[in-house]
Amino acid sequence: GAVVSQHPSRVICKSGTSVKIECRSLDFQATTMFWYRQFPKKSLMLMATSNEGSKATYEQGVEKDKFLINHASLTLSTLTVTSAHPEDSSFYICSAPDSDHESSEQFFGPGTRLTVL
Amino acid sequence: GQNIDQPTEMTATEGAIVQINCTYQTSGFNGLFWYQQHAGEAPTFLSYNVLDGLEEKGRFSSFLSRSKGYSYLLLKELQMKDSASYLCATMDSNYQLIWGAGTKLIIKP
Repeated sequence: GAVVSQHPSRVICKSGTSVKIECRSLDFQATTMFWYRQFPKKSLMLMATSNEGSKATYEQGVEKDKFLINHASLTLSTLTVTSAHPEDSSFYICSAPDSDHESSEQFFGPGTRLTVL
Repeated sequence: GQNIDQPTEMTATEGAIVQINCTYQTSGFNGLFWYQQHAGEAPTFLSYNVLDGLEEKGRFSSFLSRSKGYSYLLLKELQMKDSASYLCATMDSNYQLIWGAGTKLIIKP
């Protein structure tokens, strides 16, 4: 199947700093990528839909100025957590759907664990 | 509204069979997925159903009834490594996944 990578896998930062997380589709093009956040023992929460060449679509309650998304190319989307605070500590996961919507499978990156001190 | 329900936790014995149910109400339907997620890891794809019926893949099978808004994941010959959370998700008309809260499956020897 298709492969999605994320970088970094883990990051620890001080409160007030910004952190950038990259999501790459390695062997396919993704016009759309999804960013999720997951708290311990909770299901995935969709944060935003990243669209190549246009603005991201944010879910209700997600601050777009706090979580900046840039879909720079057909294989790369970045999520920047600006002025991170301890409550932003979480597991962030991206996914990209197969370009063939008939199969509809989404491929997940391995996730990025963010810890804000 | 959109809603997906699945049990919070289930316990089963190694070598046995377990069925994890999922009921859903969504606007638009482009299929139902089951994912497995081990703690601290991203979900991994198990199955996709878009038509009614049973899809079998090795020890795992998934069933869908669109008229009833119901699916189940059947795991046979349970192994200790099957201890994980199992997430049910439907795909809406915009090809976005709507996630259930997940079922934590505990396998006992």
